Amino acid sequence: DSGVTQTPKHLITATGQRVTLRCSPRSGDLSVYWYQQSLDQGLQFLIHYYNGEERAKGNILERFSAQQFPDLHSELNLSSLELGDSALYFCASSVAGPPWEQYFGPGTRLTVT
Amino acid sequence: DAKTTQPTSMDCAEGRAANLPCNHSTISGNEYVYWYRQIHSQGPQYIIHGLKNNETNEMASLIITEDRKSSTLILPHATLRDTAVYYCIVRVHPVQAGTALIFGKGTTLSVSS
Repeated sequence: DSGVTQTPKHLITATGQRVTLRCSPRSGDLSVYWYQQSLDQGLQFLIHYYNGEERAKGNILERFSAQQFPDLHSELNLSSLELGDSALYFCASSVAGPPWEQYFGPGTRLTVT
Repeated sequence: DAKTTQPTSMDCAEGRAANLPCNHSTISGNEYVYWYRQIHSQGPQYIIHGLKNNETNEMASLIITEDRKSSTLILPHATLRDTAVYYCIVRVHPVQAGTALIFGKGTTLSVSS
């Protein structure tokens, strides 16, 4: 158990819909990262928040957005869903100093039908 | 971040040492080598990291060549639970707030009895 929690575990929805994925980082971790893992693209970085502020963006689509709240939990919002958005979505939190390792949650499996 | 090259797959007998190689010939002086693994769709798990000295922890050992162009992750006594995809990642050590992990395709290690 990494200490990072993600809800829900599974999500099945239809094309065109909007969903919200939630992540609670480990106690004391200020950084939250979101990653997407699909069969054809592998693990890809989406976005990084540090203490409520966006720090870096990766391959995140404009239909996707995220935020980190004052209690440090984070939400990833996916809208106008397409079949290709079906994937595992992982959240990770990071220690605030060396060696900067990231602790990953169990993931949310999104299926778009 | 420097690019890494890993074999697609490797096999190992249970109880034997598993030696997973990684080439990172374009690594810069300020870049560290990190290893993570992912067991069957679970969230990736941090294993170890190093700069130029060999490192050992309770999970594994990391051997980095003197020119730093390659490294080997060693699992000294592999068990069936070590069957996973192993990712070698090279990244600049963050000064603050951390940086995202850029995953390649990794090496699928299969441990058999």
